[in-house]
Amino acid sequence: DAKTTQPPSMDCAEGRAANLPCNHSTISGNEYVYWYRQIHSQGPQYIIHGLKNNETNEMASLIITEDRKSSTLILPHATLRDTAVYYCISHSQGAQKLVFGQGTRLTINP
Amino acid sequence: GAVVSQHPSWVICKSGTSVKIECRSLDFQATTMFWYRQFPKQSLMLMATSNEGSKATYEQGVEKDKFLINHASLTLSTLTVTSAHPEDSSFYICSARTLAGGPGELFFGEGSRLTVL
Repeated sequence: DAKTTQPPSMDCAEGRAANLPCNHSTISGNEYVYWYRQIHSQGPQYIIHGLKNNETNEMASLIITEDRKSSTLILPHATLRDTAVYYCISHSQGAQKLVFGQGTRLTINP
Repeated sequence: GAVVSQHPSWVICKSGTSVKIECRSLDFQATTMFWYRQFPKQSLMLMATSNEGSKATYEQGVEKDKFLINHASLTLSTLTVTSAHPEDSSFYICSARTLAGGPGELFFGEGSRLTVL
């Protein structure tokens, strides 16, 4: 699986868009980009995933650069409940296991 | 989304005792379940991959005789921490994958916090 790098922490004001970057410069052609988040003392929660096109769902948007070497997760209107550690993982869809990096600790401030 | 339940959510035990944690997929069948361990302020560390009806595959550095994994049915996997010691105190999380999908269809339990005195 390709290695991803994320900033260790970020802050965002409540109500603003939170943009979380992720670098995956060694990603291969069949690897997707997945985002999960973990709220304190809970199990991770799936957010979104994509291959090369931008994706949007009810939780977030995922913007993947054309060369696929980086991506940005966008929470359009962050709330206090979005405070969590966000993990970006690049992974082939048929692979057996999911390996987590250190993630970004996002703090939403009132 | 699909529901994965862990039990107990927290447990305190004495050093030297064994503790069993259950992971159930409540509304789907899971051929593969994963066990993770997480220490405070650290990321999830994969311990083992559990396939229904076969032996678990352990990650490097994880003692298979200490962390016994059983995946006897398509809806239940158990992790038993044998002869637990204070250094085994951690947050244990399981996840399960549906028959259909890859990691995008991976669902996580709520976690089980183990404290060994």
